[in-house]
Amino acid sequence: EVRLVESGGGLVKPGGSLRLSCAASGFSFSNTFMTWARQAPGKGLEWVGRIRRKTDVGTPDYAAPVKDRFTISRDDSKNTLYLEMNNLKIEDTAVYYCLFGDLGEAWGQGTLVTVSS
Amino acid sequence: QAGLTQPPSVSKGLRQAATLTCTGDSNNVGDQGAAWLQQHQGHPPKLLSYRNNNRLSGISERFSASRSGNTASLTITGLQPDDEADYYCIAWDSSLSAYVFGTGTTVTVL
Repeated sequence: EVRLVESGGGLVKPGGSLRLSCAASGFSFSNTFMTWARQAPGKGLEWVGRIRRKTDVGTPDYAAPVKDRFTISRDDSKNTLYLEMNNLKIEDTAVYYCLFGDLGEAWGQGTLVTVSS
Repeated sequence: QAGLTQPPSVSKGLRQAATLTCTGDSNNVGDQGAAWLQQHQGHPPKLLSYRNNNRLSGISERFSASRSGNTASLTITGLQPDDEADYYCIAWDSSLSAYVFGTGTTVTVL
C-alpha cells in the first residue's frame, strides 16, 4: 500500500523559510515521479511542482508563483521527498500535499503551512 | 498562470446523472487531455481517472471521463449521497511546462 506522510509544516513569518518532508513507503520510490500540491484554506487545489525520477534526469518543474523561491528535491536512499520554501509570502499559506506520480495516484494527509506576522 | 475552468457547482437528484466540464485550450486539455480527482470535505483528493480517460482500479463504473476538443468531461451516473464532493480536473500545460488544476466543481446530491 502506498503511504505518504508529510511533515515540517508550521507558522512562519513573511520572508521566512521552511522545509517540508514527505516520507514514502509501499512502492518503488526511486522509480516514481513525485509531486507537491497545495490548497489554501477554503480554496481549490494548486499544483506546486514535481520532480522526475533520476533515470529521467531527475529535474524538477515548478508552477510560476513558486519558481525561484521553492526547491523540490529527493533522497532515494531515504525514500523521502522535500520541498524547500524560501522568501515565504502570506499567499503561500496552505495545506501542502505530497503526491505519488504526476497526477496524484495517492496523496498524503498534508501538512499546514501558515505564513503570518 | 492559466487555469482550467470548471462550473462552481452542480446539483442533481439522487440516482440522476451529472456531467461536469473542464475547459482549457490547445496547450493543455486539447493537447493531452485531463485527469479527474474527487475530494470529500476534510480529506485529501483521490484520483478517479487518468488523462486517457481510463478509470483507476477500484473506481466505480458510474464515473466516466471523456474529451471533446479543449473540454474534458466527467459524467457521474446514478448519483449517490457519497458522490457529494468537490471535483477537480488536472492537465499538463505545454506552454507553461507545468500541470494546472481546474477551479473545481462542488457536486450536491438533492
